Amino acid sequence: AQSVTQLGSHVSVSEGALVLLRCNYSSSVPPYLFWYVQYPNQGLQLLLKYTSAATLVKGINGFEAEFKKSETSFHLTKPSAHMSDAAEYFCAVSSYNKLIFGAGTRLAVHP
Amino acid sequence: EAQVTQNPRYLITVTGKKLTVTCSQNMNHEYMSWYRQDPGLGLRQIYYSMNVEVTDKGDVPEGYKVSRKEKRNFPLILESPSPNQTSLYFCASSPTPGGKLFFGSGTQLSVL
Repeated sequence: AQSVTQLGSHVSVSEGALVLLRCNYSSSVPPYLFWYVQYPNQGLQLLLKYTSAATLVKGINGFEAEFKKSETSFHLTKPSAHMSDAAEYFCAVSSYNKLIFGAGTRLAVHP
Repeated sequence: EAQVTQNPRYLITVTGKKLTVTCSQNMNHEYMSWYRQDPGLGLRQIYYSMNVEVTDKGDVPEGYKVSRKEKRNFPLILESPSPNQTSLYFCASSPTPGGKLFFGSGTQLSVL
């Protein structure tokens, strides 16, 4: 069965610093993987999606993620954090009839 | 504008009083789903629907009902709400199951 583990429920970075949010997955078949972002009082928005076309996936707002099969990882990165990046981020893996979400990582960005 | 609309945004009720949270999408998606979001647990699927009149249980279906009489609507029904159903609920739709999900803005439910 598919599952997702996000390492670190809270991550804090300085403005301008590298953002790294970790996600490891478990899947018995080649996975489709997603990162979603949730801003306060809003629904989830898709940041990026991996569908096996390329291992490095670029998303919106300067985020990207790299699929590493050998490490079963799909970590999310951004070279330089902005204050507006403060939000909760969810990694998800596709199953037959749903997306299975990780527990989420809350990103705080401080000046 | 393509969107998933949920109502209400906020709801406070008492134990045992039946309630319905509505969900509607205007993208002609066949697949719709309900999730609940709880701190530290992420989003867990309650029910999903592959098409009109086709619904099935997700991971946490106890205490919930759904119906899919029309393609665009997928209401969530709590016939006898209990305090452990206090949560943030999201409706979502997708062209295909397991694909990109489009989410509503959420319904914050408190059961006293």
